[in-house]
Amino acid sequence: GEDVEQSLFLSVREGDSSVINCTYTDSSSTYLYWYKQEPGAGLQLLTYIFSNMDMKQDQRLTVLLNKKDKHLSLRIADTQTGDSAIYFCAERTPDSSYKLIFGSGTRLLVRP
Amino acid sequence: DAGVTQSPTHLIKTRGQQVTLRCSPKSGHDTVSWYQQALGQGPQFIFQYYEEEERQRGNFPDRFSGHQFPNYSSELNVNALLLGDSALYLCASSLDRENSPLHFGNGTRLTVT
Repeated sequence: GEDVEQSLFLSVREGDSSVINCTYTDSSSTYLYWYKQEPGAGLQLLTYIFSNMDMKQDQRLTVLLNKKDKHLSLRIADTQTGDSAIYFCAERTPDSSYKLIFGSGTRLLVRP
Repeated sequence: DAGVTQSPTHLIKTRGQQVTLRCSPKSGHDTVSWYQQALGQGPQFIFQYYEEEERQRGNFPDRFSGHQFPNYSSELNVNALLLGDSALYLCASSLDRENSPLHFGNGTRLTVT
């Protein structure tokens, strides 16, 4: 079945690292994405990783993919108050390549 | 370079009415997808349009329909509105390539009373 799961909430102190986790069900997923949503706004693409990669780094963001466990994580280094938002992971699978399947989102709160 | 634009930003309708939402894709994009995001949930796929045809559809009733125009812009129509249709409706555009990520607009907030 289609199900992407995320923890609901994460609170960190400004300057610390944040790690947001996601599990997905379809081992044939081709691409996995991280989106950020601020209040009243749409989804902003942060980064994505192809399934044949284990890691991708982009400035303060590091994505780790464990295909065996179907686990995806997003690490934000030096977290800032402006990083407070809801973070969604999403998967794209070969049999539904035109759509993304999203998790319910993780709310990140950065404390000053 | 304009991103994905949607109109209107907010809309209030009554049960049973019909609504049309509009989307202009990011410059250079030819594919438009629509998603429904209920409060506290992740977006759910409604359908995708490419070359003015509906290419794939999610688990939504026929009350939800759409259209894509030759300039790649798109409309989402919802008939016989229900209270449960209240949500943020997001439009996303992309290229017709497997590795083309979706770029989202800011959405239309629909409230059905």
